[in-house]
Order: sequence, then C-alpha cells, then structure tokens
Amino acid sequence: DAGVTQSPTHLIKTRGQHVTLRCSPISGHKSVSWYQQVLGQGPQFIFQYYEKEERGRGNFPDRFSARQFPNYSSELNVNALLLGDSALYLCASSPGSGPIWEQYFGPGTRLTVT
Amino acid sequence: KNEVEQSPQNLTAQEGEFITINCSYSVGISALHWLQQHPGGGIVSLFMLSSGKKKHGRLIATINIQEKHSSLHITASHPRDSAVYICAVSPLRAGGGADGLTFGKGTHLIIQP
Repeated sequence: DAGVTQSPTHLIKTRGQHVTLRCSPISGHKSVSWYQQVLGQGPQFIFQYYEKEERGRGNFPDRFSARQFPNYSSELNVNALLLGDSALYLCASSPGSGPIWEQYFGPGTRLTVT
Repeated sequence: KNEVEQSPQNLTAQEGEFITINCSYSVGISALHWLQQHPGGGIVSLFMLSSGKKKHGRLIATINIQEKHSSLHITASHPRDSAVYICAVSPLRAGGGADGLTFGKGTHLIIQP
C-alpha cells in the first residue's frame, strides 16, 4: 500500500500570494493532521481533520485554513503569505482521531516565500 | 519553557557505541512518540508508548510516567542511524479535543565510521 503522499514537493511563492498544499492519506485512514516545521525546530501542530470535520486547531492565524474531502484527502490553504511561512509542511494520517492512534507522516512540502 | 525538552541537541559518536537520547515533558500525556527524520524531511514513527519499554531491533524506548521522562537507546550504532530523533507527546486536554502532537526540537545524531 502507498504511504501518505503530499504535493507539491517544493514550492516557491512571493509574499502576499496564496498557496494550496495537498495530502492523500493511507488508504483506510480517516484522520489527517497538518504540521509546520521551521528549519531547526520541531514540527508545530496546525490542524486535525477527522471524517471531514475539524477536530483540533493549533495556534496559527486565520490565514491558515484546511478542509478534508469525502475521500479523506486534505488541503491546507495559506493566504497572504509572509516570509515567516517558509517551512516544511507535513501531513500525517491515522486510522482514527485521538491520541491512541499512531500517526504516519508524508514526505512534506517545502514552501519558500520570497 | 517548552512542554517537551530533549537532550542532547547534538550528538556525535563512533560506530558501535551505545546511544542514549533523553526526553522530558511537563504536561500530562496519553502517549509519547519517538520519531526519526532524515535529511529531506521525511518522518518515520519508531515507537509509540504510554508505559514501560518497547524494543525493535537495535532500538529501545523506555518511559517513566511518574517522572515524565523517556529515553531512546540505540545499541551497536551504525552510520545509517545518523538522523534527527524527535520526541513528541499526545497531551491530555480537557474536553478530549484533538490537539495533535507536541514535539521537541530534536536530537541531531551523527554516527561516524
């Protein structure tokens, strides 16, 4: 079975632009979480979606939004990009929601904002 | 103060050495995760544990819930073990909401031949 996939792999955007990142979970997994990892730091939680509903949200501004589709894939949208949004964006899937489930990470999308 | 602290931040050792990476956390947790991240970004889950000890090959993870401390050990280390090792916790939250994992900053391990 394929693992978690993310697209695109790399992306360069200009300040003020909008970006959409995509994630496909492992088949059968219904929960998707998004994380931001700034260079040299550990990942920071952005969102968790389960069964197409937002189940958790980290401390990120409203410029960040996400959604989950009926096939459990997910999009992360970031508006009005800032230089500080440059980071590796990681998607993780799990069979269910909640802390008992192990999370499986995708390869990430590296976003550079110039 | 971060909720999850790891030590050391950087560790260089010779092939064959026994490696220990420590993780301390300050919040109540449902589970603790040890993850491995290679250059380029991909993260692999090594262990998820809520008590006691787990072993997988040359890797051993232990956790002491009372002391809020966990260790990751690598026996007979090899250059291919070189990576960033990250400790993450699933915090207990009021209301049972999903807050994702809280990560440490990682330990950058280099094993020299």
